[in-house]
Amino acid sequence: ILNVEQSPQSLHVQEGDSTNFTCSFPSSNFYALHWYRWETAKSPEALFVMTLNGDEKKKGRISATLNTKEGYSYLYIKGSQPEDSATYLCAPSSGYALNFGKGTSLLVTP
Amino acid sequence: ETGVTQTPRHLVMGMTNKKSLKCEQHLGHNAMYWYKQSAKKPLELMFVYNFKEQTENNSVPSRFSPECPNSSHLFLHLHTLQPEDSALYLCASSQERARYTGELFFGEGSRLTVL
Repeated sequence: ILNVEQSPQSLHVQEGDSTNFTCSFPSSNFYALHWYRWETAKSPEALFVMTLNGDEKKKGRISATLNTKEGYSYLYIKGSQPEDSATYLCAPSSGYALNFGKGTSLLVTP
Repeated sequence: ETGVTQTPRHLVMGMTNKKSLKCEQHLGHNAMYWYKQSAKKPLELMFVYNFKEQTENNSVPSRFSPECPNSSHLFLHLHTLQPEDSALYLCASSQERARYTGELFFGEGSRLTVL
């Protein structure tokens, strides 16, 4: 089981602000890094899966980067909207299943 | 709608009861998972099934008993649970085991309360 750290634990921003979160994980035995978004009363939904050092993925206003050598990934949200309010989970794969962090809880207010 | 359906959505049971959680996926995936979400803890992997065979048991107490009759259905049988087992139980499926790039598709979870 991998030790996954996500920061900050929670974040409150105004609509239109840009924000970013961090996911740290052991750089050894790395296979892939997943990001999920979990809205209240819904199921977690995959955002990105990254495998290569230097990978950068983008979906609309949300993007993520990966550094496998130092063991971290950043998730960026540009121009946050209230519908971005959710818990964002990162999950590195150790080879058999995903190991989830506690997540960053984002609240975007109008 | 993720293609993964869990029932029941809410369950209240006593410590001496026997109940089951059910998960069904309509995505044609061959791997299925049970995760547990307790308050202020990360999602914890409980069991993994790949092509109906259990491939992971993450040191889960025997009062939780999984069953996977086929690649589309997964059950979690519960008996003599403890109040600390109260949690959200999430089922997920993937096209291949998640060691590669197979993203997980989750159900909405079964909220269990043990009295």
